[in-house]
Amino acid sequence: DQQVKQNSPSLSVQEGRISILNCDYTNSMFDYFLWYKKYPAEGPTFLISISSIKDKNEDGRFTVFLNKSAKHLSLHIVPSQPGDSAVYFCAAAQGGKLIFGQGTELSVKP
Amino acid sequence: AAGVIQSPRHLIKEKRETATLKCYPIPRHDTVYWYQQGPGQDPQFLISFYEKMQSDKGSIPDRFSAQQFSDYHSELNMSSLELGDSALYFCASSTGLAGPTGELFFGEGSRLTVL
Repeated sequence: DQQVKQNSPSLSVQEGRISILNCDYTNSMFDYFLWYKKYPAEGPTFLISISSIKDKNEDGRFTVFLNKSAKHLSLHIVPSQPGDSAVYFCAAAQGGKLIFGQGTELSVKP
Repeated sequence: AAGVIQSPRHLIKEKRETATLKCYPIPRHDTVYWYQQGPGQDPQFLISFYEKMQSDKGSIPDRFSAQQFSDYHSELNMSSLELGDSALYFCASSTGLAGPTGELFFGEGSRLTVL
């Protein structure tokens, strides 16, 4: 049973445009969400997080939006850069562990 | 800055053999997590340790065991290896059990191939 879902396995965006990566979850008890970025042959690296008491968190070009009623969160990257090309994992924190989505591979084309 | 160190980076084993993966957390991090990522899959939580005690357990097979040592490094022991154990194994560390309310710092992973 996939509690965190990223339904788009891939996304292609033009450099300078907005990238929107989506994530849905099923467990309403989740109260903390994180986005990780992963390059090939490297471990995931933390990007940005959001607590369920907020609906938006912004860090530079990255903004995460949380819609608790819809159990949906999204990561916006503006403007997208070729160096942003990677796999992005959405994760929910549950106790001492993270529950990851399947990942979305973002390709930003020059 | 020092990161999470995993060894070996690559490991090839035969079915029914045993493998041991090692993880050295970031200095002063006392919590270690193990994740397994199969081909085309999302990372799956296996097990975590806080202050040398198991703190949580996920989808870790009974053939696998792990421990955290006094220097906070951790080892994941896998016995009776099966083809399905072929995966990328990530170790992550954090300070305290509240790790996921901050962030986990991941190592580069150990790729296990079972032939």
